[in-house]
Amino acid sequence: DVKVTQSSRYLVKRTGEKVFLECVQDMDHENMFWYRQDPGLGLRLIYFSYDVKMKEKGDIPEGYSVSREKKERFSLILESASTNQTSMYLCASSPTGVDNQPQHFGDGTRLSIL
Amino acid sequence: KQEVTQIPAALSVPEGENLVLNCSFTDSAIYNLQWFRQDPGKGLTSLLLIQSSQREQTSGRLNASLDKSSGRSTLYIAASQPGDSATYLCAVSRGGSEKLVFGKGTKLTVNP
Repeated sequence: DVKVTQSSRYLVKRTGEKVFLECVQDMDHENMFWYRQDPGLGLRLIYFSYDVKMKEKGDIPEGYSVSREKKERFSLILESASTNQTSMYLCASSPTGVDNQPQHFGDGTRLSIL
Repeated sequence: KQEVTQIPAALSVPEGENLVLNCSFTDSAIYNLQWFRQDPGKGLTSLLLIQSSQREQTSGRLNASLDKSSGRSTLYIAASQPGDSATYLCAVSRGGSEKLVFGKGTKLTVNP
């Protein structure tokens, strides 16, 4: 079974802090994704990576950056945390070019910015 | 721009009932459609994936259909159980890429 592991289930930080959210997958997937999920807005894509050191902006990249130095690890960085970044953050991975493989999700990190 | 709509937003049924969840999308140029389940405070679990060339997929008591030309998919759950209570999310790929566009989900409650 594919396992996507997010480093923290719950995280509390202060405004202005630099925040790192880590995600690791164990299935050698090329694609990795960061989403945020908010009530009434659903899941929205923040950033996407299709290979090591490659990244692509999603729908709401403002205030975020990402790092993918190794294939299995995809980090989301909040450069200067703000209260409107309080949310549930979900990481996912999938293989490239395999028709019947869905995205596999981690359990999420509930981030509160005070 | 692809938009995905799920109706109803919430559904409550008695145990044992068969039910249908609906998903519609605005752009028929999709690579695949995926149905997920999300339990409170958890991540998403993949239920079924339908390729754009397929009409339906089945897994146990679940059956998902796809009508690409009309921009619709349904998730049929047979003989519902309290353990089926969760939020069900539909997502479609964006024009051949791996990126997904999600609906806002249908929250299902199955009452014993």
